[in-house]
Amino acid sequence: SQQGEEDPQALSIQEGENATMNCSYKTSINNLQWYRQNSGRGLVHLILIRSNEREKHSGRLRVTLDTSKKSSSLLITASRAADTASYFCAPKETSGSRLTFGEGTQLTVNP
Amino acid sequence: GAGVSQTPSNKVTEKGKYVELRCDPISGHTALYWYRQSLGQGPEFLIYFQGTGAADDSGLPNDRFFAVRPEGSVSTLKIQRTERGDSAVYLCASSLLGDQPQHFGDGTRLSIL
Repeated sequence: SQQGEEDPQALSIQEGENATMNCSYKTSINNLQWYRQNSGRGLVHLILIRSNEREKHSGRLRVTLDTSKKSSSLLITASRAADTASYFCAPKETSGSRLTFGEGTQLTVNP
Repeated sequence: GAGVSQTPSNKVTEKGKYVELRCDPISGHTALYWYRQSLGQGPEFLIYFQGTGAADDSGLPNDRFFAVRPEGSVSTLKIQRTERGDSAVYLCASSLLGDQPQHFGDGTRLSIL
């Protein structure tokens, strides 16, 4: 299946530092989406990058996509304690509408 | 309401019972999705509706699971003869169209004793 696999599984940093999370996938995609999830809550959409895009920014977030390597990265700059959450990538296959999530990266930002 | 609403937020029931989980999507969203999430895992796709019809139900684990969306808005996920392994958080999401970002509810935490 077109499951996104996030790396690392867990990341702990100090407030103000940057956090980078990586995602790999296996087959052709239409787009790739990143979501965050706070404990006990639903997922919140962060950013969508299309297969013909290489980089996208949204506030403190920067997402890159390399379709030749089938990989994406999410960079959070100047992290805050409130960024503590699980982050998931979800590749969207060229056919169908389902998203397939990996196990996520658990980010902890220490104040 | 402004977001996806799921009820109940928690459901505890005994093995073998029947349960119904409800999802109210964002008004106007034609696509609706159900996922199941176990502790420490990402959401696992169950079923996708486009309008009233199930466009993809390949994620339903077995025939004890069924979902409906009769008027193209509210959806109900139904689980018959529940088993302890069904315990999980059931998440619902909706999107304007099938290829758009999904908006998630906070889920229903189902516990089968």
